[in-house]
Amino acid sequence: NAGVTQTPKFRILKIGQSMTLQCAQDMNHNYMYWYRQDPGMGLKLIYYSVGAGITDKGEVPNGYNVSRSTTEDFPLRLELAAPSQTSVYFCASRVYQGTEAFFGQGTRLTVV
Amino acid sequence: DQQVKQNSPSLSVQEGRISILNCDYTNSMFDYFLWYKKYPAEGPTFLISISSIKDKNEDGRFTVFLNKSAKHLSLHIVPSQPGDSAVYFCAANSGYALNFGKGTSLLVTP
Repeated sequence: NAGVTQTPKFRILKIGQSMTLQCAQDMNHNYMYWYRQDPGMGLKLIYYSVGAGITDKGEVPNGYNVSRSTTEDFPLRLELAAPSQTSVYFCASRVYQGTEAFFGQGTRLTVV
Repeated sequence: DQQVKQNSPSLSVQEGRISILNCDYTNSMFDYFLWYKKYPAEGPTFLISISSIKDKNEDGRFTVFLNKSAKHLSLHIVPSQPGDSAVYFCAANSGYALNFGKGTSLLVTP
């Protein structure tokens, strides 16, 4: 049981480039999330999904896009990368609200 | 606007003693609270949770207390062990989302 798998683990982007952070879970969880963590800060919610085909914005969605075509996958797309998007990104999933969320190992992204 | 606040960035405790980590929240609609533990270069891992209808939940060395009137919860670790050294995040459930505090870095010294 792999849980929540994120790829890549590390990435360096140049300003203006685009990339997709991959997230997959094998627990058949309905809810999936993308968070970012900046140094000394907590986890801020970027986007979330309550099921395939349903996504919604979190606290800090600007500069990002998501899609949820399957229950398992929830990719996060960065368009026109900016230095302010340098952060550690965590994907998480849970069965439904009122249960614990399981996190991936994170993707450390640097935009230069 | 931080709805979940962990006002102590760090805490140092001797091995064998009690560690108490605190968390305050502002939204009375939060219905479920969780504590996560995070080691460097890893994702957060779930530690313990409590429903808003309870005031205490215990799991081994870890106990979470909830004071709804004060909008305050705390995590007690007894006895503390060096392996408990990590960053601890408090989280609160509101609808579909989990709101996180900034974390408290716990150092347990031998």
